Amino acid sequence: DTEVTQTPKHLVMGMTNKKSLKCEQHMGHRAMYWYKQKAKKPPELMFVYSYEKLSINESVPSRFSPECPNSSLLNLHLHALQPEDSALYLCASSQGAGDYNSPLHFGNGTRLTVT
Amino acid sequence: DAKTTQPNSMESNEEEPVHLPCNHSTISGTDYIHWYRQLPSQGPEYVIHGLTSNVNNRMASLAIAEDRKSSTLILHRATLRDAAVYYCILRVQYSGAGSYQLTFGKGTKLSVIP
Repeated sequence: DTEVTQTPKHLVMGMTNKKSLKCEQHMGHRAMYWYKQKAKKPPELMFVYSYEKLSINESVPSRFSPECPNSSLLNLHLHALQPEDSALYLCASSQGAGDYNSPLHFGNGTRLTVT
Repeated sequence: DAKTTQPNSMESNEEEPVHLPCNHSTISGTDYIHWYRQLPSQGPEYVIHGLTSNVNNRMASLAIAEDRKSSTLILHRATLRDAAVYYCILRVQYSGAGSYQLTFGKGTKLSVIP
């Protein structure tokens, strides 16, 4: 079990659907992250939130829309995705985005399939 | 961007020590060296990190070269549960944003032979 909880574990959606991925942590961390991982590849950073504000967007297409309603929750809203967006989406948190000495804690991810 | 180079794969016998190497010749003075591992069907798991001195924790040891251009993750007694992809990562400051990010390299897939 991890201290970062992601729901759902699996998601299948059509290209015209709208869905959301959710991430929750109760460790008091103030930085939260979204990573995308394709099969047999390393995770790639998508977004970083620091104190509930978006601090890094790694040129992610607008069909992915992150939201951080509070310091414990992180959402990723999905709309009009393409089949190539199928991947494992990982959420992570750390004490602070500016604290290079604090490790990241990852959830086990949501496996997304776009049909 | 500071990058790391690791062997694609390594094998170890169970209950023997494992030394996983990592080269990071372009490391800057403020870059921390982090190691994570990812077991099948799970998210990455933090293992250890350090700046200049060797570090030990309950999971592993990290040996950092004096010039910091390379490091080695040491698992003292490999178990079957240690079979995973091990990532050596430099946590660098993202320019202008005041945030530090982890950029994963390709990692080393460790196989443990019973």
